[in-house]
Amino acid sequence: DAKTTQPNSMESNEEEPVHLPCNHSTISGTDYIHWYRQLPSQGPEYVIHGLTSNVNNRMASLAIAEDRKSSTLILHRATLRDAAVYYCILQGAQKLVFGQGTRLTINP
Amino acid sequence: NAGVMQNPRHLVRRRGQEARLRCSPMKGHSHVYWYRQLPEEGLKFMVYLQKENIIDESGMPKERFSAEFPKEGPSILRIQQVVRGDSAAYFCASSPRVLGTSTGELFFGEGSRLTVL
Repeated sequence: DAKTTQPNSMESNEEEPVHLPCNHSTISGTDYIHWYRQLPSQGPEYVIHGLTSNVNNRMASLAIAEDRKSSTLILHRATLRDAAVYYCILQGAQKLVFGQGTRLTINP
Repeated sequence: NAGVMQNPRHLVRRRGQEARLRCSPMKGHSHVYWYRQLPEEGLKFMVYLQKENIIDESGMPKERFSAEFPKEGPSILRIQQVVRGDSAAYFCASSPRVLGTSTGELFFGEGSRLTVL
């Protein structure tokens, strides 16, 4: 499975935008880029996914580099409830392989 | 539409006992995944099942662990002769179709937390 690299932790302030980076230099042409998040003591929750074009939904935006070797999850206006571990995952085969993720802390 | 239901939420076993964890996927979902999360670590894929079939068990330990997803009833993750190292949160996820192409959303349960004394 292709690997992703994310910072271990990031910190932001409430009501400010947050940009969570992910590097995936070994991505193949058919790998989808997925983002999930895990709030404390809960199961992971789907955030967004995309292939080549940028994607938007009610939770976040996903910006994918033109060469697809990196992507950025954008939370437009962070709230305290967005504090979680965010996982960037490449899905090639019929399963999702989670990495260590980025632990996002939101300051009030 | 109820979400993915896992039970028990918490389970305590002594070394050598058996642990059975159950997962009821969302209605209409025939694909089930089990993941294990050790304390302060990420999720590790264990097994992927469709109704009555094991599709990918590449993440399952070779001994003591088994999984099934019968035609009727929940999926079961069974751990025989538990050891302290089996203490972890076990998450089940379901999907209505095979992951791939434009799909990819897994719906996760709240997890079952196993403690081995």
